[in-house]
Amino acid sequence: QQPVQSPQAVILREGEDAVINCSSSKALYSVHWYRQKHGEAPVFLMILLKGGEQKGHEKISASFNEKKQQSSLYLTASQLSYSGTYFCGTEGAQKLVFGQGTRLTINP
Amino acid sequence: KAGVTQTPRYLIKTRGQQVTLSCSPISGHRSVSWYQQTPGQGLQFLFEYFSETQRNKGNFPGRFSGRQFSNSRSEMNVSTLELGDSALYLCASGSTPYEQYFGPGTRLTVT
Repeated sequence: QQPVQSPQAVILREGEDAVINCSSSKALYSVHWYRQKHGEAPVFLMILLKGGEQKGHEKISASFNEKKQQSSLYLTASQLSYSGTYFCGTEGAQKLVFGQGTRLTINP
Repeated sequence: KAGVTQTPRYLIKTRGQQVTLSCSPISGHRSVSWYQQTPGQGLQFLFEYFSETQRNKGNFPGRFSGRQFSNSRSEMNVSTLELGDSALYLCASGSTPYEQYFGPGTRLTVT
């Protein structure tokens, strides 16, 4: 079952904050986050494991709430380099299932 | 460590032809997964190989096939190409199927 991401697209000014959500209809053991810049391959950002821990990468952090079966990615004081499409991935039957992606555009 | 490499990077084929794409995983990675990426459908899982065995397959027609060699290198084949097969095909390797390091992709255009 494909996780659902929201919003589908976000446009920000440099320095603003953003939150990207990823929710699943089934129990989650972990959530993986990737960023794909235009014309490039997706790059792994972080993995969130059961336990509700929060992780960080640069000024990007994420939380995982297994009870609510959702994860949120927080981008603080966004930089131009944060532009791209963000995907969450959930584990299922020996494969990662990706959400449809959230396109983030950061304007100067 | 060298990253995942894919060849060719770009390919133009005609409807009805077949195509073979190649992927060399990161050294030591035994799991290789293939994805199709299109603007409307996002990242769609094709199949995953581990130690030369296909462990998982996505919802794609039998025209899409793959294999993995003893050195973990993998190939993907699409026969009887259709216009809708135009996409970016991404290969990813990892120590497990949940750890995905992506290659740059092969952009296939079917005319």
